[in-house]
Amino acid sequence: KNEVEQSPQNLTAQEGEFITINCSYSVGISALHWLQQHPGGGIVSLFMLSSGKKKHGRLIATINIQEKHSSLHITASHPRDSAVYICAVAGVLGGSNYKLTFGKGTLLTVNP
Amino acid sequence: KAGVTQTPRYLIKTRGQQVTLSCSPISGHRSVSWYQQTPGQGLQFLFEYFSETQRNKGNFPGRFSGRQFSNSRSEMNVSTLELGDSALYLCASSPQTVTDTQYFGPGTRLTVL
Repeated sequence: KNEVEQSPQNLTAQEGEFITINCSYSVGISALHWLQQHPGGGIVSLFMLSSGKKKHGRLIATINIQEKHSSLHITASHPRDSAVYICAVAGVLGGSNYKLTFGKGTLLTVNP
Repeated sequence: KAGVTQTPRYLIKTRGQQVTLSCSPISGHRSVSWYQQTPGQGLQFLFEYFSETQRNKGNFPGRFSGRQFSNSRSEMNVSTLELGDSALYLCASSPQTVTDTQYFGPGTRLTVL
């Protein structure tokens, strides 16, 4: 079993729909990252969470440390949101020692 | 501030050769991490450097190594290349640790023939 599980693996939506991508992890973590990767493009960090909820424009990320679960929501989705969304957790190894473990990613396609 | 830069962007090598990739972090960032991305395995952590010291290493063979210089620039080296080493190699920098927001470079696409 992977330490980080994302669902769904693929998601197709119509423009304007509300999108939810889920991430579950099995290890103790210090932080969780949501990343975005466009086809052929680089990786951009969307959020870094250690607790609670963060919002940036149409994107909202939440984390529940007790349940080891995080969600990324996209409101009023747009075709330019089409990308791979990747969850990464910073597992604690001791001191300032952390290791990033990644989910397999969710491929989101938003049709006009 | 300039972003994270990686050189070269593309590289073609043959089996058995070695390769060195370079990463220049954002100015002021002291943590540099390296990742391998393949279609089958996705993103995997290679190693992290901080203040010229390897702070952590992923589950990769000893053929994969790296170093960091006093200006925080980092290099990774892969010796005795195998076909399976074909991948996108990404580096990311952050102020202190991987718990900080990670700033990724564009990656180096390595093809091993």
